[in-house]
Amino acid sequence: DAGVTQSPTHLIKTRGQQVTLRCSPKSGHDTVSWYQQALGQGPQFIFQYYEEEERQRGNFPDRFSGHQFPNYSSELNVNALLLGDSALYLCASSPGLAHVSYEQYFGPGTRLTVT
Amino acid sequence: TQLLEQSPQFLSIQEGENLTVYCNSSSVFSSLQWYRQEPGEGPVLLVTVVTGGEVKKLKRLTFQFGDARKDSSLHITAAQPGDTGLYLCAGDFFFLNTNAGKSTFGDGTTLTVKP
Repeated sequence: DAGVTQSPTHLIKTRGQQVTLRCSPKSGHDTVSWYQQALGQGPQFIFQYYEEEERQRGNFPDRFSGHQFPNYSSELNVNALLLGDSALYLCASSPGLAHVSYEQYFGPGTRLTVT
Repeated sequence: TQLLEQSPQFLSIQEGENLTVYCNSSSVFSSLQWYRQEPGEGPVLLVTVVTGGEVKKLKRLTFQFGDARKDSSLHITAAQPGDTGLYLCAGDFFFLNTNAGKSTFGDGTTLTVKP
């Protein structure tokens, strides 16, 4: 049973560029959430997708956008990259929205470095 | 804004010692999870607690959810070097208007167990 997978593993971009990160959820999961984890901090919630719609959003600017596909996989897009966007980007999947115990399974993350 | 505070931030102990780490908030959570994260990897779910006062045991790890569902603790008995890692707690909130959930993470406790 494949867990959550993310690509690429590492990425180096220049300020002002755009980046797309990809995530495939765990088998049987239809909800995908994205998090940003800066060095020495806990993950910060970016947004969550369910049924191909953004359902919840954290305190991130519009430069951060996403998409969910019919097969439940998801993309995170970041435009006009800033040095402060350097972080580990984590994707998490969960089995639907209405479960009482809200359990997420994380992928290994994409390490983004902006120079 | 729902904030989670974890303490201590860093903990270094000898193999065989016992320890407790804490997760506190002023907000009430629908549920709370504990994760363990190793460098360069995504968080791995250890446990979910849902009911106030709930205690769950996972081998040498004991998790407790506060009666008011605002705080939690993780106790490790006879710590081993393999327990070394970043321990994160995350509180969940459900938003009935969008039928979506959101996790808020603390910044974690970095545990080092020396042989």
